[in-house]
Amino acid sequence: GAVVSQHPSRVICKSGTSVKIECRSLDFQATTMFWYRQFPKQSLMLMATSNEGSKATYEQGVEKDKFLINHASLTLSTLTVTSAHPEDSSFYICSAKQGAGDTQYFGPGTRLTVL
Amino acid sequence: EDQVTQSPEALRLQEGESSSLNCSYTVSGLRGLFWYRQDPGKGPEFLFTLYSAGEEKEKERLKATLTKKESFLHITAPKPEDSATYLCAVQMFRDNYGQNFVFGPGTRLSVLP
Repeated sequence: GAVVSQHPSRVICKSGTSVKIECRSLDFQATTMFWYRQFPKQSLMLMATSNEGSKATYEQGVEKDKFLINHASLTLSTLTVTSAHPEDSSFYICSAKQGAGDTQYFGPGTRLTVL
Repeated sequence: EDQVTQSPEALRLQEGESSSLNCSYTVSGLRGLFWYRQDPGKGPEFLFTLYSAGEEKEKERLKATLTKKESFLHITAPKPEDSATYLCAVQMFRDNYGQNFVFGPGTRLSVLP
């Protein structure tokens, strides 16, 4: 139980284009999903918290107009990196919280490379 | 300022050589402490949640303990497949849930056969 998937697992795009990453909870309903970014040999940095049916809450320093988050259903949240630049290249990981529990279950991550 | 640190940064063990990883935290109001395992290029895998000082959790060769200032992840007789980065994360009591979950930098464990 508590399986989270992400798609795509890897994406390479040209500078200036937009990329959408999907995060799905496969066997549970997730009222809250989280988006993290992880640079090589560094820990996870929370970007934003996504609640189903409401606007995402972004961490300080994260541009909400650049990283668009949509949590359209209890099993799907999307992160769109708009006008991507090479410095946006990173490992993006989502997680989901199951019901009222505190534990976050993580997806396998998406490796974004912007050329 | 809320802070989570982990030590050592990296640890190399021989197969069967038991050891402990440390997670120290300075936070205002601990709600819970989480241990995750992360393999290269993958998302973290949930291991344990600890909520109060004195609590212990076990799973196979791993045992997690919690005090008021730190948590230990004990690895007994490790095997090469235990090699991974072990992350701890601290959840604090906050009004805004999204701002109260902080990860430590991780400990990279290598177990040699």
